[in-house]
Amino acid sequence: SAVISQKPSRDICQRGTSLTIQCQVDSQVTMMFWYRQQPGQSLTLIATANQGSEATYESGFVIDKFPISRPNLTFSTLTVSNMSPEDSSIYLCSVNPTGTDTQYFGPGTRLTVL
Amino acid sequence: KQEVTQIPAALSVPEGENLVLNCSFTDSAIYNLQWFRQDPGKGLTSLLLIQSSQREQTSGRLNASLDKSSGRSTLYIAASQPGDSATYLCAVEETSGSRLTFGEGTQLTVNP
Repeated sequence: SAVISQKPSRDICQRGTSLTIQCQVDSQVTMMFWYRQQPGQSLTLIATANQGSEATYESGFVIDKFPISRPNLTFSTLTVSNMSPEDSSIYLCSVNPTGTDTQYFGPGTRLTVL
Repeated sequence: KQEVTQIPAALSVPEGENLVLNCSFTDSAIYNLQWFRQDPGKGLTSLLLIQSSQREQTSGRLNASLDKSSGRSTLYIAASQPGDSATYLCAVEETSGSRLTFGEGTQLTVNP
């Protein structure tokens, strides 16, 4: 299994600003995933973050808007840049620990943009 | 492109009832299927994972089945309790270690 923490748990931000979300895992993992859950909707993958290489973004998501860092095998950050109210969502990170096919999710960061 | 659909979108039942949640997916070439639970404002908790070669998995009062050829999975909850109230999401993984494609979820309310 894996224990995942995210910071902050929630934030209220002004339009045009940026927020960096941190994801910390209690074990080393190869890949970390960042998902977005818009109000009343299911989860959509933003990008996959591998340590030592650039993140791979899904269609509709770009690096300039959602830059990701992956400095080591237990940590990643997702930045939501130049925010607008449409960015109001829950952002979740997840991992696939080595030796298991189960994906584990962090508690999420609830972002509200005014 | 894989699409995952869950029916019903919402379900309200009295305590003690047995219930079935449905999930269908369009591309049967999957690696596994997972059922998750999400409580309001919280992250996801993995309930059951079924490998593509398996037919079902059980954990306590939960039983998940998989019919890969027809693109369907069901989550059976026995003797439902108010604490089971949550949103239940199914998700498919197409290759090992790849991303999950999620359904829209079923919002379950179990009334005491």
